[in-house]
Amino acid sequence: DARVTQTPRHKVTEMGQEVTMRCQPILGHNTVFWYRQTMMQGLELLAYFRNRAPLDDSGMPKDRFSAEMPDATLATLKIQPSEPRDSAVYFCASGLGVYREKDTQYFGPGTRLTVL
Amino acid sequence: QQQVKQSPQSLIVQKGGISIINCAYENTAFDYFPWYQQFPGKGPALLIAIRPDVSEKKEGRFTISFNKSAKQFSLHIMDSQPGDSATYFCAATQAGGFKTIFGAGTRLFVKA
Repeated sequence: DARVTQTPRHKVTEMGQEVTMRCQPILGHNTVFWYRQTMMQGLELLAYFRNRAPLDDSGMPKDRFSAEMPDATLATLKIQPSEPRDSAVYFCASGLGVYREKDTQYFGPGTRLTVL
Repeated sequence: QQQVKQSPQSLIVQKGGISIINCAYENTAFDYFPWYQQFPGKGPALLIAIRPDVSEKKEGRFTISFNKSAKQFSLHIMDSQPGDSATYFCAATQAGGFKTIFGAGTRLFVKA
């Protein structure tokens, strides 16, 4: 049963600390997305990759957030330094990335981040 | 900024009734309109999707109606069941790419 995995599932940290969230996309998928979900803003696209290359990170605060794909099986989202306003659920999603076909995004279970 | 506006924010429907959720978009450069369903504590999951070259798509109890000229699309859930109680998101994906903009979500509660 192929699925997107995310670690950690929960993270509580103090303001100013570095946070790293990891995602393993479904094998064979070549698009990876990072979303942030809050009650106020809903689901916001932070960044996405295709074939490990960043295509759009316009939704990401550049001064503190960074997203990378060191290899095809791992995507990371880092926040340094973290702030209380970063508290949210962060979702990773992956997709086949075939234009006009099967654009389904498969979401992971999310990482619930709390910054105190 | 590209936006997808979704309404209502919340919806209560009796079991067996029809649930209707509406969305409108402001940019014509979208070519894929999915609906996602999210249960508490879980990630969103694709429910049904439509492309702008068709006006309606039906899968079981779920139907998307699409009005390209009005830039509106809606989700109809027929014979709503308590198990359908979840948050529903409409979305729109950029033409020629994969950037997806989500609506704010509708919390549906189906009363038994």
